Amino acid sequence: QKEVEQDPGPLSVPEGAIVSLNCTYSNSAFQYFMWYRQYSRKGPELLMYTYSSGNKEDGRFTAQVDKSSKYISLFIRDSQPSDSATYLCAMSANSGGYQKVTFGIGTKLQVIP
Amino acid sequence: ETGVTQTPRHLVMGMTNKKSLKCEQHLGHNAMYWYKQSAKKPLELMFVYSLEERVENNSVPSRFSPECPNSSHLFLHLHTLQPEDSALYLCASSQSRGHGYTFGSGTRLTVV
Repeated sequence: QKEVEQDPGPLSVPEGAIVSLNCTYSNSAFQYFMWYRQYSRKGPELLMYTYSSGNKEDGRFTAQVDKSSKYISLFIRDSQPSDSATYLCAMSANSGGYQKVTFGIGTKLQVIP
Repeated sequence: ETGVTQTPRHLVMGMTNKKSLKCEQHLGHNAMYWYKQSAKKPLELMFVYSLEERVENNSVPSRFSPECPNSSHLFLHLHTLQPEDSALYLCASSQSRGHGYTFGSGTRLTVV
């Protein structure tokens, strides 16, 4: 079983739709949960991170973590064409002298005008 | 310059060539990472340097050789690569106990 499972998509939605992106994980040692956004020909950029179970909101983006179910989600409200990108979930655990981050495969999202 | 800068952006090399990828960060971070990104695969961690010491070498073939001369610079030396090594190579940095990585734009490597 992979440590982090994420549906690669692609996911295509009309502009203005609510987008739901999800990941499941198996490693109970994961402490921090993150979402990265990667545009074509660019490196991933950190979008949101959270530590505890519950919701965290930032503008149109809401990150949700359910540690009991080992399930995390990212919701995008009022999606825009500029949100078209690949979204990678990521989780970290302490590994000696650094936080080791494990990534999902990424979900490719296309928002159609 | 700000953030994480990687050079070159694109590289085509033959299997007998030797080349190096360069990464520089201007964020004051003390940990740096090399990742490999291939189609339909998650990001694969290759090497980690924390406080200029290599703390992880993720079973990477010896044809990849990292070098971290100081906390701001990271190199990946390449020699006798195989076509399956063609991928996007990403450099990232963070604070050593931080979980938020800052990535460069990557080097698109093609081995012919």
